[in-house]
Amino acid sequence: SAVISQKPSRDICQRGTSLTIQCQVDSQVTMMFWYRQQPGQSLTLIATANQGSEATYESGFVIDKFPISRPNLTFSTLTVSNMSPEDSSIYLCSVGGGGNVLTFGAGSRLTVL
Amino acid sequence: GQQLNQSPQSMFIQEGEDVSMNCTSSSIFNTWLWYKQDPGEGPVLLIALYKAGELTSNGRLTAQFGITRKDSFLNISASIPSDVGIYFCAGRDNYGQNFVFGPGTRLSVLP
Repeated sequence: SAVISQKPSRDICQRGTSLTIQCQVDSQVTMMFWYRQQPGQSLTLIATANQGSEATYESGFVIDKFPISRPNLTFSTLTVSNMSPEDSSIYLCSVGGGGNVLTFGAGSRLTVL
Repeated sequence: GQQLNQSPQSMFIQEGEDVSMNCTSSSIFNTWLWYKQDPGEGPVLLIALYKAGELTSNGRLTAQFGITRKDSFLNISASIPSDVGIYFCAGRDNYGQNFVFGPGTRLSVLP
């Protein structure tokens, strides 16, 4: 299965600032996904990052708040904009793989003060 | 939208005991996945199921795709301390492109 690297692994940010999370995959993949995991909660899909076109956002998530880039088949970024304490979460990059399964990165743990 | 329920929400067991947990859905799924998440890590795939009634093992773990296609079960035999973590189920139906995740079962193993 694919190996996914996320940066940063964790960060502490001030309210009102923005942070960009990077996701690098060791092989070319068609589907890349961004999930949010709020403290003590399950995983919620933010958006599907499409190479060569705009990301597809799930209900409750908007491009202005979570802009996503997908410049090629191995890389994507998620920006969390104008952060507030409610954005404190683990943000996970995921790719679709053989056997219709999802492989996840280790996540980026974000704390907003 | 689709929702998954997992039971139990949390459990404390003695080392060496067997563990059973389940996941139920309000709709029919064609794929079930089981993941384990350790603290500070992303979820790791344990078992994937694709057919109603399918029973699949991965070491001490066994999972089953329920025959109603609305549920799935995960069993862990002879638990060990490293089994501690959160177990998530995820499912997808014929119409959905994306997986929906359950709320998780938090497992603690007492020595």
